[in-house]
Amino acid sequence: SAVISQKPSRDICQRGTSLTIQCQVDSQVTMMFWYRQQPGQSLTLIATANQGSEATYESGFVIDKFPISRPNLTFSTLTVSNMSPEDSSIYLCSGGLAGSTGELFFGEGSRLTVL
Amino acid sequence: SQQGEEDPQALSIQEGENATMNCSYKTSINNLQWYRQNSGRGLVHLILIRSNEREKHSGRLRVTLDTSKKSSSLLITASRAADTASYFCATDQTDSWGKLQFGAGTQVVVTP
Repeated sequence: SAVISQKPSRDICQRGTSLTIQCQVDSQVTMMFWYRQQPGQSLTLIATANQGSEATYESGFVIDKFPISRPNLTFSTLTVSNMSPEDSSIYLCSGGLAGSTGELFFGEGSRLTVL
Repeated sequence: SQQGEEDPQALSIQEGENATMNCSYKTSINNLQWYRQNSGRGLVHLILIRSNEREKHSGRLRVTLDTSKKSSSLLITASRAADTASYFCATDQTDSWGKLQFGAGTQVVVTP
């Protein structure tokens, strides 16, 4: 298994502000992904965090709203920009191991509430 | 967009009983995975079944996969209160390793 740590675990934010979530993974992880889980809902993939280059975003998610960095193999950040109450969600960092069949390991999530 | 649909949405059983939940999906897959999420926590990987497998066991878990029907089931035998959680199926589609499409989830409550 892999260890994935996220912070903050939760935060309450004001409308119009931005918040950056940090994710640290252990060295076995090669692929990193960011997911969003809206209240009472399932998970939706936001983007793949690519080391040293721009993230690959899924349909419906854009870099201006969710800028992602991955400066090295084991660290990534997701920023939720210009937040509105609709951004209130749990944001989860996940990682996959090289050579595996595709199972992912998840952080505990960052629960954001936007007022 | 979500690939998997799960039923039931919620399941309430007593300790010792079996819990069965189903997942359907729409496109070709490399594998199908099941995850558990305890309230307020991250997801924990439970089991993965490849597209060329039909059944897999892990402890008290039994997963089946029917690619002709594009469906899977998860059976938890002899349930315990600690099995109370939400369970999600997730599909790993062809040519998109690791980019999982999650189902809506089944919320399971096991009462002592």
